[in-house]
Amino acid sequence: DTEVTQTPKHLVMGMTNKKSLKCEQHMGHRAMYWYKQKAKKPPELMFVYSYEKLSINESVPSRFSPECPNSSLLNLHLHALQPEDSALYLCASSQESGAAGANVLTFGAGSRLTVL
Amino acid sequence: AQSVTQLDSQVPVFEEAPVELRCNYSSSVSVYLFWYVQYPNQGLQLLLKYLSGSTLVESINGFEAEFNKSQTSFHLRKPSVHISDTAEYFCAVSEGAGKSTFGDGTTLTVKP
Repeated sequence: DTEVTQTPKHLVMGMTNKKSLKCEQHMGHRAMYWYKQKAKKPPELMFVYSYEKLSINESVPSRFSPECPNSSLLNLHLHALQPEDSALYLCASSQESGAAGANVLTFGAGSRLTVL
Repeated sequence: AQSVTQLDSQVPVFEEAPVELRCNYSSSVSVYLFWYVQYPNQGLQLLLKYLSGSTLVESINGFEAEFNKSQTSFHLRKPSVHISDTAEYFCAVSEGAGKSTFGDGTTLTVKP
């Protein structure tokens, strides 16, 4: 299995809603990532988990809350979002951090979020 | 700090013509270099990578890139493009620890 699976593919939510994005991989990768991508822009790193521990938070607002329940799963909990948070949210995984292969990212297809 | 500059935001080309997408990087240490491709409404897919060894790397669908340390470049080339190559291409650099920096992307449009 060489895939990263993200659900849902599309999500529309109001500014007062609470929702979650989910990501799953079964490649034995020990690092997992959340990226945010606006239209016609490159992905922007949000969070990195290494061995199920949060290792990088790129100063993301607290209305985004990541969670890594185990080595295969990564969630992004959303609460009180703003319309400008509308974007494609990409999950990625890689081998252990520090190894050369750690830098090769495998991406999911993304969850397209619209905040009304 | 590392950075990536993709010199062309849009590259239109006719089918079966050659193409080059340019990428320059800046880093104070040794780097790993990547090209990712993104088709409409999809995530990014790894196209090819330079980690070490031969400076010329190739993908299975005919793309190649050459790592040039003196010019700090990692340009992507294909001798003959197809309509199906139409996509967004991102060059990326990593200094390790799993943190990659992406260029702004180049939109390749292949016309019949």
